[in-house]
Amino acid sequence: RKEVEQDPGPFNVPEGATVAFNCTYSNSASQSFFWYRQDCRKEPKLLMSVYSSGNEDGRFTAQLNRASQYISLLIRDSKLSDSATYLCAALRPPLKTSYDKVIFGPGTSLSVIP
Amino acid sequence: NAGVMQNPRHLVRRRGQEARLRCSPMKGHSHVYWYRQLPEEGLKFMVYLQKENIIDESGMPKERFSAEFPKEGPSILRIQQVVRGDSAAYFCASSPPGGYADTQYFGPGTRLTVL
Repeated sequence: RKEVEQDPGPFNVPEGATVAFNCTYSNSASQSFFWYRQDCRKEPKLLMSVYSSGNEDGRFTAQLNRASQYISLLIRDSKLSDSATYLCAALRPPLKTSYDKVIFGPGTSLSVIP
Repeated sequence: NAGVMQNPRHLVRRRGQEARLRCSPMKGHSHVYWYRQLPEEGLKFMVYLQKENIIDESGMPKERFSAEFPKEGPSILRIQQVVRGDSAAYFCASSPPGGYADTQYFGPGTRLTVL
């Protein structure tokens, strides 16, 4: 089992729709989580950090459920420009290593259709 | 303040040749991470370096791959005797001293194609 798993997608939604992605993590010691956005053939860019129960930034809301070990990303009122791949990442605390390590999920592809 | 720079952006090599990928971190950053991304897949950690030190190379194949981050100059990821399976996008990220994952800034990547 991968340490960070995501909905396989792709998600094809009409403009204005609300869409939610789920991400699960297997390391219960992870405390910090991140959502990155990656456009086609571009580098990942940090969209949102999640340290406590959740975070909200405009149309984007991230929620963390520690008991079930999942993080969700909700996008309201989808825009065409939201079309991208969304990567979930978990910060693995130091155990075998002396530093935190970022573990990325495989990503979920979103296409917003006019 | 320029962001993370990588060059070349695109690199074509024939099987058996060497590939050298360069990464210049953001000004003031002393931590460099290399990731590989295959088509339709997520980012796979390869190696974590600080100036003149390899901190974690657990994600890097033991043969043909090496990385360095010298005191002066960019970090270099070197792939010797490339094979078709090495074709991928290679991203570098940097973070400042004491920084955590949310302070990792990614470069634009180098797309390696092995013919």
